[in-house]
Amino acid sequence: AQSVAQPEDQVNVAEGNPLTVKCTYSVSGNPYLFWYVQYPNRGLQFLLKYITGDNLVKGSYGFEAEFNKSQTSFHLKKPSALVSDSALYFCAVRHRDNYGQNFVFGPGTRLSVLP
Amino acid sequence: SQTIHQWPATLVQPVGSPLSLECTVEGTSNPNLYWYRQAAGRGLQLLFYSVGIGQISSEVPQNLSASRPQDRQFILSSKKLLLSDSGFYLCAWSTGISNQPQHFGDGTRLSIL
Repeated sequence: AQSVAQPEDQVNVAEGNPLTVKCTYSVSGNPYLFWYVQYPNRGLQFLLKYITGDNLVKGSYGFEAEFNKSQTSFHLKKPSALVSDSALYFCAVRHRDNYGQNFVFGPGTRLSVLP
Repeated sequence: SQTIHQWPATLVQPVGSPLSLECTVEGTSNPNLYWYRQAAGRGLQLLFYSVGIGQISSEVPQNLSASRPQDRQFILSSKKLLLSDSGFYLCAWSTGISNQPQHFGDGTRLSIL
């Protein structure tokens, strides 16, 4: 069965400091990996994805994510956090052969960027 | 460009009343469509997904149902709401290409009294 873990319920970081939101997955084969952000009372917004190739993926709003196949991880990073980055972040996976099938989401990590 | 619309944004309903939430997608054809429920601002629970008109797959047995009467229309319904049906309901769409992300509507906040 596919599963996604986000080991931290909450991450606190000071504005201007680098941030990392962790994600590990358990999926057979080579999945596609995604990060989403959710602001209060809004839907999820797509940030970035890993398909293949370079392990460092760049996305929206200055976010990037590092894929590590041996550790089955896909951590979200940003060099300098902004207060406006405070939100709920979700990691998701989708099996490559899963036509029309489900995305598997992690439980979410709440990021608080302190001024 | 593609857009997804959900309505209403908020809804307050008494226990035992019916429910109909609607979701429509514009700018794409034959999308995969999904209904999720999110409790307490945390994880997503997949309720239903559809890969085509009239094709609905249910992930969680409950008193909710879904229908897809048109290619880009997805409806979530209930005949009698329970207190436990309260939550934030999200509709999403994706293409059938597995390396493409889902795109979400802005959700419906449902409160059951």
